[in-house]
Amino acid sequence: EIVMTQSPATLSVSPGQRATLSCRASQRLSSNLAWYQHKPGQAPRLLIYGASTRATGIPARFSGSGSGTEFTLTISSLQSEDFAVYYCQHYNAWPRTFGQGTKVEIK
Amino acid sequence: EVQLVESGGGLVQPGGSLRLACTASGFTFSRYWMSWVRQAPGKGLEWVANIKQDGSDKYYVDSVKGRFSISRDNADNSLYLQMISLRAEDTAMYYCARALLQLEPYDAFDFWGQGTMVTVSS
Repeated sequence: EIVMTQSPATLSVSPGQRATLSCRASQRLSSNLAWYQHKPGQAPRLLIYGASTRATGIPARFSGSGSGTEFTLTISSLQSEDFAVYYCQHYNAWPRTFGQGTKVEIK
Repeated sequence: EVQLVESGGGLVQPGGSLRLACTASGFTFSRYWMSWVRQAPGKGLEWVANIKQDGSDKYYVDSVKGRFSISRDNADNSLYLQMISLRAEDTAMYYCARALLQLEPYDAFDFWGQGTMVTVSS
């Protein structure tokens, strides 16, 4: 099983500032990595797939980068609606696994 | 508009059984791999199982192998998860989710249902 490790667990950021979230895989993934945003009471929302491709309708302030075992999600200028939990997930092998999540909270 | 609507959750005793359903609309269901993903209270997301378009391939996370069975009915646009020998640790919100690309197990999930809650408790 590929273990996904996200850091930090919690990120405190002021609105308008940049947020950088990290995700490390225990094995090389090629680019088979996705990022999701999850708010309480809602379904998760796909932000990024293929490590760096924004999903349909996702604002340009969200960007993904990385390959191999190290990946990053960057939110260039945090808006109020961006405060949520973010998960990375690989789909390079079975079982698919998620990271434990990074909570982005208002500073 | 793509919609996924789960049903069948509820309270069940340890060792009991439950069958979850997910009804799909707004897309050609038979062309997509489909998955179940769960979230235990206060925990993160966990992929549970997925199934190929024609049901010929199925994969599971180790913790549910032998207890959960994923299936689908393309004529009814429905996905199912049969759960037996349920344990307290199976308590979670269960979501069905669609793989991003047609015909591929490209499990970046672009559409999710709102979830159905399963509680395993005596």
